[in-house]
Amino acid sequence: GEDVEQSLFLSVREGDSSVINCTYTDSSSTYLYWYKQEPGAGLQLLTYIFSNMDMKQDQRLTVLLNKKDKHLSLRIADTQTGDSAIYFCAVPTGGGNKLTFGTGTQLKVEL
Amino acid sequence: GAVVSQHPSRVICKSGTSVKIECRSLDFQATTMFWYRQFPKKSLMLMATSNEGSKATYEQGVEKDKFLINHASLTLSTLTVTSAHPEDSSFYICSAQLAQKVGEQYFGPGTRLTVT
Repeated sequence: GEDVEQSLFLSVREGDSSVINCTYTDSSSTYLYWYKQEPGAGLQLLTYIFSNMDMKQDQRLTVLLNKKDKHLSLRIADTQTGDSAIYFCAVPTGGGNKLTFGTGTQLKVEL
Repeated sequence: GAVVSQHPSRVICKSGTSVKIECRSLDFQATTMFWYRQFPKKSLMLMATSNEGSKATYEQGVEKDKFLINHASLTLSTLTVTSAHPEDSSFYICSAQLAQKVGEQYFGPGTRLTVT
């Protein structure tokens, strides 16, 4: 099955950039997604990238995709305390009928 | 738009009882809804895919007789945990799929189930 891996923790200072990394195994994924989960809440779709793109920028968020290395990253510019959350990358699997989520990266933003 | 609600948000029940969790898409119709389970500091584990008007598709290792799913309408799916035990205690999250893009799922706020 699909394996989607992320580092577990990331700590940054407010105002710095955060980079969250994700690796996956299934190269047939057409879209790849980033979700954010705040404590005790469900997931919120942050952004996504089509597999034929290398980069997508949406305000403070930049998604980079290295399809050859099956590596996806999410960069958050000017990280704020409100960005503290768990971030999941997600890859369509099962013929595109469901999502496999990464292990999640807990981002902590310090003052 | 694309709001999904779950009810209840938190429930405590005794071992051996059954608990029903509702998932509603409030402002759109969802032909497909998903049920996930999340353990503390862990990723989401897909339990089943629920399609309106048909039987749910369960993931390997998920007991269909224990986790009953009913997708009664285009806006409502329910998950019933039957004969709950302490090991069923978890955070259950549903999501509803908008259009045909499986990644564009809109998630409910989750239900914290504690079985005593």
